[in-house]
Amino acid sequence: DSGVTQTPKHLITATGQRVTLRCSPRSGDLSVYWYQQSLDQGLQFLIQYYNGEERAKGNILERFSAQQFPDLHSELNLSSLELGDSALYFCASSGTSEDTQYFGPGTRLTVL
Amino acid sequence: GQNIDQPTEMTATEGAIVQINCTYQTSGFNGLFWYQQHAGEAPTFLSYNVLDGLEEKGRFSSFLSRSKGYSYLLLKELQMKDSASYLCAVLNDYKLSFGAGTTVTVRA
Repeated sequence: DSGVTQTPKHLITATGQRVTLRCSPRSGDLSVYWYQQSLDQGLQFLIQYYNGEERAKGNILERFSAQQFPDLHSELNLSSLELGDSALYFCASSGTSEDTQYFGPGTRLTVL
Repeated sequence: GQNIDQPTEMTATEGAIVQINCTYQTSGFNGLFWYQQHAGEAPTFLSYNVLDGLEEKGRFSSFLSRSKGYSYLLLKELQMKDSASYLCAVLNDYKLSFGAGTTVTVRA
């Protein structure tokens, strides 16, 4: 158990819908990262927040957005969902941007 | 851009040693990580190298040569539970870029 929690574990929804994925970092960690892992793409970095502020952006679509709240938990919002958005979404946390990232169990999103 | 290459698959026998190579070409370098991932599960941290040389951690060792853009992960005394995907990842400018992963299958 990494200490990073994610909810929900599974999510099934329809195209065009909007969903919110939630992540709580390890106690004391200020950095939160979001990754997408699909079968054909591997693990892709989406976005990083550090202590409430966006720190780095990867291959994140405009339909996706994220935020980190004062209590350091983070949410990833996915809107206008497409079939290709079906993937495992992982959250990771670390103390600083150079520290080891520890991954949560992931949310499996299925878009039908 | 980031280019991280590792073999797609490797097979080895229980009790043997396997070496997974990773080569990288990245615009910057702040460290190299190895993660293990079982199918459908979260990646788990194995090792971290930021300076050249060998880091040993029980049955797992990782080596880094920054001048060659090269790392390897060495798994000794293989066990069936070591069957998994092994991901090489390079940290650069706050971003962790992952290779596609090497699937290791351990046979009895």
